[in-house]
Amino acid sequence: AQSVTQLGSHVSVSEGALVLLRCNYSSSVPPYLFWYVQYPNQGLQLLLKYTTGATLVKGINGFEAEFKKSETSFHLTKPSAHMSDAAEYFCAVKTSARQLTFGSGTQLTVLP
Amino acid sequence: GAGVSQSPSNKVTEKGKDVELRCDPISGHTALYWYRQSLGQGLEFLIYFQGNSAPDKSGLPSDRFSAERTGGSVSTLTIQRTQQEDSAVYLCASSLDRHPEEPQHFGDGTRLSIL
Repeated sequence: AQSVTQLGSHVSVSEGALVLLRCNYSSSVPPYLFWYVQYPNQGLQLLLKYTTGATLVKGINGFEAEFKKSETSFHLTKPSAHMSDAAEYFCAVKTSARQLTFGSGTQLTVLP
Repeated sequence: GAGVSQSPSNKVTEKGKDVELRCDPISGHTALYWYRQSLGQGLEFLIYFQGNSAPDKSGLPSDRFSAERTGGSVSTLTIQRTQQEDSAVYLCASSLDRHPEEPQHFGDGTRLSIL
């Protein structure tokens, strides 16, 4: 069985500050990991994914995530927050089964 | 190109009525998924179609829920005898699914409200 834990259902940062959204997973086999973003009344948009190879993954809108197997983590970061980054962020894992297992989401607020 | 299209975007219906939700996947995508997003349960997998294979229905919450995919393209999710707990956003996604690492592309969802 696999599961995803996102620490912090709400995170607030000031514009220009570092964004750090935490994700830990549990999986009995090497997982495929994804971060999605959801804006109000919209579907999920893929930010980035980890499959194999380089552990630091760069995505869209300046986001990146680092896969740390020893810590079973896949935290999402962005050096400088922008007002347009305010949204809900979901970490997801997939193994041999094709469907995604999602974390509970983190609502990011960016303060002016 | 066109993304995943879902209709209607909003649906309000009375308890006990049947509803049909439609999903048009990205052209050429062989895999299609339905998920449900609700305040209490978060994002939950419902059903997965891949080509002509039998669908994976392991996420359907009750026998009131069913789905079909015609011609390997458009899918319809049907909820019979709706209950208030069925109120949620129903999201459809599609992917090429040649490999497990293929990302899923989501539509904007159908917001279902049961009165």
